[in-house]
Amino acid sequence: DTEVTQTPKHLVMGMTNKKSLKCEQHMGHRAMYWYKQKAKKPPELMFVYSYEKLSINESVPSRFSPECPNSSLLNLHLHALQPEDSALYLCASSQGQPNWANVLTFGAGSRLTVL
Amino acid sequence: GQQLNQSPQSMFIQEGEDVSMNCTSSSIFNTWLWYKQDPGEGPVLLIALYKAGELTSNGRLTAQFGITRKDSFLNISASIPSDVGIYFCAGLSNGPNFGNEKLTFGTGTRLTIIP
Repeated sequence: DTEVTQTPKHLVMGMTNKKSLKCEQHMGHRAMYWYKQKAKKPPELMFVYSYEKLSINESVPSRFSPECPNSSLLNLHLHALQPEDSALYLCASSQGQPNWANVLTFGAGSRLTVL
Repeated sequence: GQQLNQSPQSMFIQEGEDVSMNCTSSSIFNTWLWYKQDPGEGPVLLIALYKAGELTSNGRLTAQFGITRKDSFLNISASIPSDVGIYFCAGLSNGPNFGNEKLTFGTGTRLTIIP
């Protein structure tokens, strides 16, 4: 299995809703990532988990809350989002081993619309 | 912060033509990656470059890691309709601890094939 699976593919939510994005990989990768991509822009890093511990938070607002329950799963909990948070949210994973060139494998993304 | 400037921003070519795009950075990277992204999908890895000066091919694609480690180019020979999409260069920099790799994306090149 060489895939990163993201669900749901599309999500529409109101500003008062609480929802979650899910990501799963079974490649034995130990690093997992959340990226945000606005239309016609490159992906921007949000969070990095290494060995199930949060290692990088790129000053993301607290209305985005990541969680890594185990080495195969990564969640992004969403609460009180704003319309400008509408974007494609990409999950990625990599080997996460020291001294490796850790190439990232991306999922297909979750398209989020905040009304 | 690190910035990757990619050019050209967009290309309009006829089927069968060769394509060339490049990426320059203000910082040094340990690894250069080239991804392709189709609409509504996540980026898919095309080529990974690990050493300065390295020239690597993947079918009709050829990419090089610049000697200064601050630039890279991607060539596509004899373009076909499925080459349409957005191409991103990306630089990988290793943090002080493994698992802290940060992938910085270029601004993207949108390739369109004119009938």
